[in-house]
Amino acid sequence: AQSVTQLGSHVSVSEGALVLLRCNYSSSVPPYLFWYVQYPNQGLQLLLKYTSAATLVKGINGFEAEFKKSETSFHLTKPSAHMSDAAEYFCAVRQTGANNLFFGTGTRLTVIP
Amino acid sequence: DGGITQSPKYLFRKEGQNVTLSCEQNLNHDAMYWYRQDPGQGLRLIYYSQIVNDFQKGDIAEGYSVSREKKESFPLTVTSAQKNPTAFYLCASSIKGNYGYTFGSGTRLTVV
Repeated sequence: AQSVTQLGSHVSVSEGALVLLRCNYSSSVPPYLFWYVQYPNQGLQLLLKYTSAATLVKGINGFEAEFKKSETSFHLTKPSAHMSDAAEYFCAVRQTGANNLFFGTGTRLTVIP
Repeated sequence: DGGITQSPKYLFRKEGQNVTLSCEQNLNHDAMYWYRQDPGQGLRLIYYSQIVNDFQKGDIAEGYSVSREKKESFPLTVTSAQKNPTAFYLCASSIKGNYGYTFGSGTRLTVV
């Protein structure tokens, strides 16, 4: 079985501070992992994905995530938060051969000016 | 430009009425998906389809129905049997293999 746990349903950071959004997965084999961002009343937009190549994945808008097999984690980071980063972020997992993605419950990021 | 179009963006219906949400894609993707989003619950899979004329139930299929008569289209019907239909509905598509999804902009359904 595969699942995703996002620690912290709400995260607040000051503008210019480090953003760290946590994601842990449960999978019997190394999965494919994704981070999506959702702005209010919109669909989800792909930020980045891990597909068993490099463990450090760079995405759009300055975000990156590191796949750590030993910790079963795929945390999302950004060195300096911008006001425009305020949104909800979803981690998702897809096991090899599986038909669909499993999503975490999301983390809402607030950026304080 | 290629993408997924969901319509309408906002939909209001009276309790007991069936309603159909539209999802069209011109990405030539094989697979299409419907998710329901409620505050604090993330995305829950309703139905998905890997090929035309075939679809499978997801985790919360009760009270919903779908069809896949064309590769480009995957409409979702919310029936009167769905006990709590008010939600944000997201359609997505993907190519075969271990890739992510492309999402539509969603339809917010309110049943009064």
